[in-house]
Amino acid sequence: GAVVSQHPSWVICKSGTSVKIECRSLDFQATTMFWYRQFPKQSLMLMATSNEGSKATYEQGVEKDKFLINHASLTLSTLTVTSAHPEDSSFYICSARDRAASSYNSPLHFGNGTRLTVT
Amino acid sequence: AQTVTQSQPEMSVQEAETVTLSCTYDTSESDYYLFWYKQPPSRQMILVIRQEAYKQQNATENRFSVNFQKAAKSFSLKISDSQLGDAAMYFCAYKPRDQGAQKLVFGQGTRLTINP
Repeated sequence: GAVVSQHPSWVICKSGTSVKIECRSLDFQATTMFWYRQFPKQSLMLMATSNEGSKATYEQGVEKDKFLINHASLTLSTLTVTSAHPEDSSFYICSARDRAASSYNSPLHFGNGTRLTVT
Repeated sequence: AQTVTQSQPEMSVQEAETVTLSCTYDTSESDYYLFWYKQPPSRQMILVIRQEAYKQQNATENRFSVNFQKAAKSFSLKISDSQLGDAAMYFCAYKPRDQGAQKLVFGQGTRLTINP
């Protein structure tokens, strides 16, 4: 089945530093990837839609300059949390849809998530 | 804007019994897709079942089935013969059929506990 690899699975960084999270589709190509944030015991909140070769589309309330998204290839999207603060601590999950999928009801494939802790 | 509501933060069921998780949604669209995802302690999101709104027949996947009531905008998940491995957070999700709208809208989630 389609596999999405997310790295790292967990990271601890100091306040003020930046951290990059990678999302790779291992056996399919994805023109679009999605980045979600999940607080403890809460649902997934869409942060942005990452489009290969173009700018990401951010959801309302998400700071573009703080959460930098790059989707330079059909198999890789990165999320960089810049100047991280403790309130950025959260679980970040990426997902992708196979560009070869024949129907738009085809499921999104999710990565295993990244737990970010900012101290 | 579309919204998805799961009114049961937590549910529990005895092993081998049947449990139903509720989900309602709000949309002005006539055609869309609905999904149930499972998130076990590993945090991996796993697709459980999906339903196309234009199909009247309820989707079924082995022990998992849905009760899709389009007029009521209700999409409940029934798990039969519950197993310990079914313990997880369950999220209901909605997506418009519009090809340009690919993002999923998730409900708040229901934590399901299986009692041995």
